[in-house]
Formats: sequence, C-alpha cells, structure tokens
Amino acid sequence: QKEVEQNSGPLSVPEGAIASLNCTYSDRGSQSFFWYRQYSGKSPELIMSIYSNGDKEDGRFTAQLNKASQYVSLLIRDSQPSDSATYLCAVTGANNLFFGTGTRLTVIP
Amino acid sequence: DTEVTQTPKHLVMGMTNKKSLKCEQHMGHRAMYWYKQKAKKPPELMFVYSYEKLSINESVPSRFSPECPNSSLLNLHLHALQPEDSALYLCASSQDVRIWMNTEAFFGQGTRLTVV
Repeated sequence: QKEVEQNSGPLSVPEGAIASLNCTYSDRGSQSFFWYRQYSGKSPELIMSIYSNGDKEDGRFTAQLNKASQYVSLLIRDSQPSDSATYLCAVTGANNLFFGTGTRLTVIP
Repeated sequence: DTEVTQTPKHLVMGMTNKKSLKCEQHMGHRAMYWYKQKAKKPPELMFVYSYEKLSINESVPSRFSPECPNSSLLNLHLHALQPEDSALYLCASSQDVRIWMNTEAFFGQGTRLTVV
C-alpha cells in the first residue's frame, strides 16, 4: 500500500509570511509529484507538479523534491488570506495517483 | 482548456434508487478516474480507466458500477446505496496514466451525493 504523509495542521501564518508545507512518501518508485489546493466544499485544483530533484518555482509557489529522502515540500511566499485552504500532496504509483491527508493552512490578515 | 465537467452537481437519492453520475472531458486525455471524498478526508481512489479499459478497481462495492463509453465520457452507476456512501464524488482525467510525465490530473467540480 502506498503511503503519502502530511502534517494535518492546522498551520497558521501571518499575511506576507512564508508558508512551508511538507510531505513524505513511501514508494521509492514514485516519479511524479503534485500539490493540489482545495477550498472547503470545492474540488482539488492542481497548483504545482514536479518530477526531478531540486526546486521548481511558479510565481509565489516553490516545490522542492528530494527523492533520496522521499520528501516533497511546497513553499508559499508572501502568503495571502486567499491562500487559506487545504493543501494536498499527491504521488503517482503504478497507474494510480495517491493523496496525502492534506494540511490545512490559515493565513491571518 | 483544463476543464472536466461533472453532472449533476448535487444529488439526493433513496437507498432503493438507481442513478448515474456523469463526467466529460475534451482534452484528449486517455486516463480517467473516480474518487470519493468524505468531509475532512483526502480523495480516495475508486476506479481508473486507461484507454477506455478499467485498469484499477480499488475493492469498491458492486453497488458502484463504472462505465467508460468512449474516451471523453465516464459514468458511475449507483444502485442500492447506503447512507454512509454520502460523499463528494470527484472525476479526474490525465493525459496518460502509464507515462509518468503525463500524469497531471485535473478534477471536475464534483457531485455532492446524499443518500437518504
């Protein structure tokens, strides 16, 4: 059984700060890693994908992948109240996409 | 265009009813998924279709029956559901589930199902 683990939070940061979200996974064969944002009552929205070790930046978001440590993270710079949501880490397995339990982020104005 | 369309948005059904959830995408994706999500829990995989063939069934009860009529459509037929089946049902698609660089999955808005 594939496992994807995240701190459930809640994580609270002040507006303008950096929010750091972490995820570990158990399957060393995983090759694709994603971060989804989910607002309450809505469906998950893809915000970042990463496939190779290192950092990938897209606007205020930076994804970091370390396959040796089986660790993927998401940094949100200049956090805004509109970033308040649950962030889901997702990892591909064989013909599958597994989700972590999500981290609830609250950005305090 | 990364749109996956699900209908209906809300559904209330009795335990003896038969209903269907529908999902459509026109992105040329060849992998489509059904997920079930309960409140404050992550999406839980139910079925994966790859090139219109069922490739994964995550031990889902037979009261849930998936169907993939063509590469753009995915249905989930519901029969004799239980109240504990009430959840948000999410459809997703990706370009190709077999090729790791083409596995970005995009979700529809979901169907909020209530079984009474």
